[in-house]
This record gives sequence, C-alpha cells and structure tokens, in this order.
Amino acid sequence: DIQMTQSPSSLSASVGDRVTITCRASQDINNFLAWVQQKPGKAPRSLIYAASSLQPGVPSKFSGRGSGTDFTLTISSLQPEDFATYYCQQYDRYPYTFGQGTKLEI
Amino acid sequence: ELQLVESGGGLVQPGRSLRLSCTASGFTFRDYAMHWVRQAPGRGLEWVSGIYWNSGNIAYADSVKGRFTISRDNAKNSLYLQMNSLRAEDTALYYCAKDMGMAQDNAFDIWGQGTRVTVSS
Repeated sequence: DIQMTQSPSSLSASVGDRVTITCRASQDINNFLAWVQQKPGKAPRSLIYAASSLQPGVPSKFSGRGSGTDFTLTISSLQPEDFATYYCQQYDRYPYTFGQGTKLEI
Repeated sequence: ELQLVESGGGLVQPGRSLRLSCTASGFTFRDYAMHWVRQAPGRGLEWVSGIYWNSGNIAYADSVKGRFTISRDNAKNSLYLQMNSLRAEDTALYYCAKDMGMAQDNAFDIWGQGTRVTVSS
C-alpha cells in the first residue's frame, strides 16, 4: 500500500498568516493527489485534486503544488473559518490512502 | 443541489451484520464511481471501498476485505455497504463519497454527512 505522510501533524497560526502543509507519498503517485478539509463535527470537504486543481467553489487562497512523491498545500491570509484538519489523499492506486492529517489551530 | 445521504447506521453487537445505504441526488448517479470512507472516533479518514460506475471493478481496504461488500443500484441512485462479521474496530462514522469520474484515478468531489456505526456488546 502507498503510505502518505503529512507534516506537521499540528500547526499553530494566526489570522492573516500564510501556512504550508507537506505531504509525502511512499512512491510516485503520478500527481493523483487530493487535499481534503474537515472541520470538527462536519463532513470532509474536497479542496484540491490532481495536486493543484481547485474544486469548484474553493477560494484561490488555497493552492496545491508538487509532483511525484512530494506535495504541498498552502493557505494564504488565514481566516477563522480556515482552522480545521487537512488531509492529503492519493488515488493513484487501490487501496486509496490518506495522510494522518494536519490540525491547523489558532 | 448535489447531495449524498447515508443511512442504516446504528449499534450492533460484534459478529453481527449491518447494511449501509447512500442515496444520491442532483447528478447522474450511474455516470460516476462511488466510495465509502470511514472515520473512527478521534481518528483520521480511512478509505474503505470503491465501485466503478457499472460495478465492473470493486476494491476494498485490507481491513474489511472478505467481510464487507459494496454494491450499487443505478436505477435507484443508491450505493450500499453490506458489513458482516463486525468488530469493535469497525466503529466509525461512515461517509459516502462521489468520484469525479467513472472508474479509477479520479478524486472525490462530494461527501455525505455520514452515518454512525457502533460495534459493541
């Protein structure tokens, strides 16, 4: 199975900050990488697919980059509603796997 | 509005069975692959199973292989997860998720609100 490793596991930031979360795959995943946001008690929300493409309705403050095995999610100008847990996910091959999550806290 | 609504969760004893359902609306269900993803209390997301648009290919996580069966009824816009031989470690919130394509190598774009499964005696 492909292992997805995120760093950091938790991150403290302030409103207005810019933060970057890293995700590393245990093997080349051909850019089949998604980022998902989850707020406490809520269902996940898909943000990014194909490493850098925004889902409809997702603001451009979210951006994804990377290729092969190393990927990043950057969130600019943090607002209170951005504080959540973020997961990366590979969908290159079954079983699809998620990273362990990065909790973004104020 | 694109929507997925899960149902069928509940409290069940270890070793028993449960069948989850996911009803889709707002899109052409038969044109997309579908998935189940679960989240144990206080834990991260775990992909459970996926099924192609035409049920032509099905995949499972190793943790549920041989115990869970995914299926779909395109005429009823519905996805199912038959869970047998349930264990305490299957306790989780189960989400239904829509694939962006018909088969493999596509991300998810829509998630349901989840249905809770608790396995306990």
